[in-house]
Amino acid sequence: EIVLTQSPDFQSVTPKEKVTITCRASQSIGNTLHWSQQKPGQSPKLLINYASQSISGVPSRFSASGSGTDFTLTINSLEAEDAATYYCHQSRNLPITFGQGTRLEIK
Amino acid sequence: QVQLVESGGGVVQPGRSLRLSCAASGFTFTSYALHWVRQAPGNGLEWVAVISYDGSNEYYADSVKGRYTISRDNSRNTLYLQMNSLRAEDTAVYFCARSTTVTTSFDYWGQGTLVTVSS
Repeated sequence: EIVLTQSPDFQSVTPKEKVTITCRASQSIGNTLHWSQQKPGQSPKLLINYASQSISGVPSRFSASGSGTDFTLTINSLEAEDAATYYCHQSRNLPITFGQGTRLEIK
Repeated sequence: QVQLVESGGGVVQPGRSLRLSCAASGFTFTSYALHWVRQAPGNGLEWVAVISYDGSNEYYADSVKGRYTISRDNSRNTLYLQMNSLRAEDTAVYFCARSTTVTTSFDYWGQGTLVTVSS
């Protein structure tokens, strides 16, 4: 099973800051890494597909990069509505696995 | 618009069974694989099972293999999860989610249904 490790687990940030979340895979997964956002009490929402592909309707301040084992999600000019937990997941192999999540708190 | 609506959750005693449903609308049901993903209270996301677009292939997490069965009724646009021999550690919100194939990203999720296993 492919293990995904996110960092940090938690970050407290102020609006308009730039945030970077990383996701490291235990083995190479090419670009089969995806990012989702989950707000409290809601289901997850896909933000980024295949390491860097933007999803229609997602604000342009969300971007991502990476391949192989190291991946990054960047949120430019953070807004209050971005308070959420962010998860990476891989679809290279079954079982599909998720990172443990990164909770963003907006100060 | 794409909608996935789960139902069937509730409180159940350890060792008993429960069946979840996920009603789909707004897309061509037979063109997509469907998954169950769960989230224990206060915890992260755990993939549970997937079924291919035509129901010919099913895959399970080790934690549920032999106890859970995923199925779909393409005539009713509905996904199911039969859960047997339930344990306290199965307590979670269960989400259904859609993907293009069994190994692509989840592009839409339902709102989830809570299963509580407790005596």
